[in-house]
Amino acid sequence: DAKTTQPPSMDCAEGRAANLPCNHSTISGNEYVYWYRQIHSQGPQYIIHGLKNNETNEMASLIITEDRKSSTLILPHATLRDTAVYYCIVRVLGSWGKLQFGAGTQVVVTP
Amino acid sequence: DAGVTQSPTHLIKTRGQHVTLRCSPISGHKSVSWYQQVLGQGPQFIFQYYEKEERGRGNFPDRFSARQFPNYSSELNVNALLLGDSALYLCASSLWSAGYNEQFFGPGTRLTVL
Repeated sequence: DAKTTQPPSMDCAEGRAANLPCNHSTISGNEYVYWYRQIHSQGPQYIIHGLKNNETNEMASLIITEDRKSSTLILPHATLRDTAVYYCIVRVLGSWGKLQFGAGTQVVVTP
Repeated sequence: DAGVTQSPTHLIKTRGQHVTLRCSPISGHKSVSWYQQVLGQGPQFIFQYYEKEERGRGNFPDRFSARQFPNYSSELNVNALLLGDSALYLCASSLWSAGYNEQFFGPGTRLTVL
């Protein structure tokens, strides 16, 4: 699986959009981009995934660049409960379920 | 619906001892994966089981072993504990192993080795 690069931390004001970048320059054509988050002292929680098209669900939006070498997770209206470590993972669809976590981005939402 | 459950929540052991951690997947989920998360790092994959068979193994020593039972619950065993085994051990379940399927994580077992 390809590796990802994320900034170690970022702050966001409550109510504003949080844009979390992720670089995956060595991603292969059959690898999907997944995002998970981990709130302190809890297990990771799935957020969203995508291949090449932009995706949106009730939690977030995922924007993948045309060359697929980077992506951005957007939390449209950040709340204090969104404070967490966010992990960007690339994984081959159809592979056995191993998720390769990096260090992630610590997002702190402030009032 | 109940999520993934893990027991115990916390555990303290001494070096050289053995530990067994337990995981019950979400009802209907047939795949269970185990991860180790050392403080300040992301989770690291240890094992995946599907239909009672090992489907994947991470870069962990043979002191780590696991199994899955007919009811799809799973145990992670660690022998000859080292101080470095202190970590949060996470269990995740999913409907099946391959293909897109979301993995649901339990709250973890916090293991402290003294």
